[in-house]
Amino acid sequence: ELKVEQNPLFLSMQEGKNYTIYCNYSTTSDRLYWYRQDPGKSLESLFVLLSNGAVKQEGRLMASLDTKARLSTLHITAAVHDLSATYFCAVDLYGGGTSYGKLTFGQGTILTVHP
Amino acid sequence: NAGVTQTPKFRVLKTGQSMTLLCAQDMNHEYMYWYRQDPGMGLRLIHYSVGEGTTAKGEVPDGYNVSRLKKQNFLLGLESAAPSQTSVYFCASSRLAGALLAKNIQYFGAGTRLSVL
Repeated sequence: ELKVEQNPLFLSMQEGKNYTIYCNYSTTSDRLYWYRQDPGKSLESLFVLLSNGAVKQEGRLMASLDTKARLSTLHITAAVHDLSATYFCAVDLYGGGTSYGKLTFGQGTILTVHP
Repeated sequence: NAGVTQTPKFRVLKTGQSMTLLCAQDMNHEYMYWYRQDPGMGLRLIHYSVGEGTTAKGEVPDGYNVSRLKKQNFLLGLESAAPSQTSVYFCASSRLAGALLAKNIQYFGAGTRLSVL
């Protein structure tokens, strides 16, 4: 059974600071997603990481994937208030067969950026 | 520009009542999914469909049924609601899954907030 664990679950940051959210998963997979959810809203796709060593960047967010360590990171650089949201990682058990795109989500990290 | 539309947005049920949640997508996606979101647990897959007329169980299917009679619609039914089904329900769709290097990004609806008293 695939398990996906994020840490920290709660993150309170000051504007301008850097921090990293970690996503560990228990079974081999080469397809990992990061989503953002604003309070009371839907989920928005941020990054898709499809291979070992993949790195994607968008603005102040950078995501990476290490399939050997079964670890993905979401790094936040010089945080701003607009980044306050809940961030989810999700893993697709593709693994060479067909998983029908089923995703297993982490618990989510609630990020709050303070002035 | 609708994407994935869920109805209703909010609903309050009494224990034992039934209801159907509707998900409609206008992106011609093959795959559709129903998730539930509970505090501290992320999203969990209830049922999914890989095409019109097909459905399959996800991680937490008990107490729910689904149907996909048309490609663009995916219905989630609660036959006899229980307080444990109080949750936020999200529908998602994706263009294609299983293909090598396919991104298979899932697009989510706005959610249905369901309370069962």
